Amino acid sequence: EIVLTQSPGTLSLSPGERATVSCRASQSVRSNHLAWYQQAPGQAPRLLIYSISTRASGIADRFSGSGSGTDFTLTISRLEPEDFGVYYCQQYGTVPYTFGQGTKLEIK
Amino acid sequence: EVQLVESGGDLVEPGGSLRLSCAASGFTFINAWMSWVRQAPGKGPEWIGRIAGTTDGGAVDYAAPVKGRFIISRDDSKNTWHLQMNSLTTEDTAFYYCTTFSYTSGWSWGQGTLVTVSS
Repeated sequence: EIVLTQSPGTLSLSPGERATVSCRASQSVRSNHLAWYQQAPGQAPRLLIYSISTRASGIADRFSGSGSGTDFTLTISRLEPEDFGVYYCQQYGTVPYTFGQGTKLEIK
Repeated sequence: EVQLVESGGDLVEPGGSLRLSCAASGFTFINAWMSWVRQAPGKGPEWIGRIAGTTDGGAVDYAAPVKGRFIISRDDSKNTWHLQMNSLTTEDTAFYYCTTFSYTSGWSWGQGTLVTVSS
């Protein structure tokens, strides 16, 4: 099983600042099958990025994904108030698909 | 537009069974692969299994915590996937989501259905 480790666990930032979330895999993620989600309280996860760097439909261009192999990054260039919540990475290249433990992005 | 609608969530006693359904629309169902993902209260998402498209053989894979207890199936005549859950324990309490992937639009999720296992 591929273990995904996200860092940091919690990120405290202000609107307008840049956010960077890391996702490290215990082995290489196949076929660039790495996604990022945002989850607000009481809602289903919302897809932000898939295939490492492809933004999902309707996702603002301040969200970007990068990386390869075992190291991946989600960057939010300038935080908006609606960006605060919990972020998860997911690999879907190898069964069992797995998720990171989550990074909470909170308002400073 | 891809639409996934889960149903069947309920309160069930430990050791009981429940069947969830996921009605799909907006894409060619027979080709689609689907995964079930669950999320326990206050926890992160957990993948529990997938079924391949019928045109790819319809094979099924399960995560270790549910293997031997859960069964994923599909009804191509009704554009519906099912999750049969047996021998439920309190650890199975979660929101259950059906999800499907497209190379052109990424992962789509339903709104989820709540399963509560409690006496």
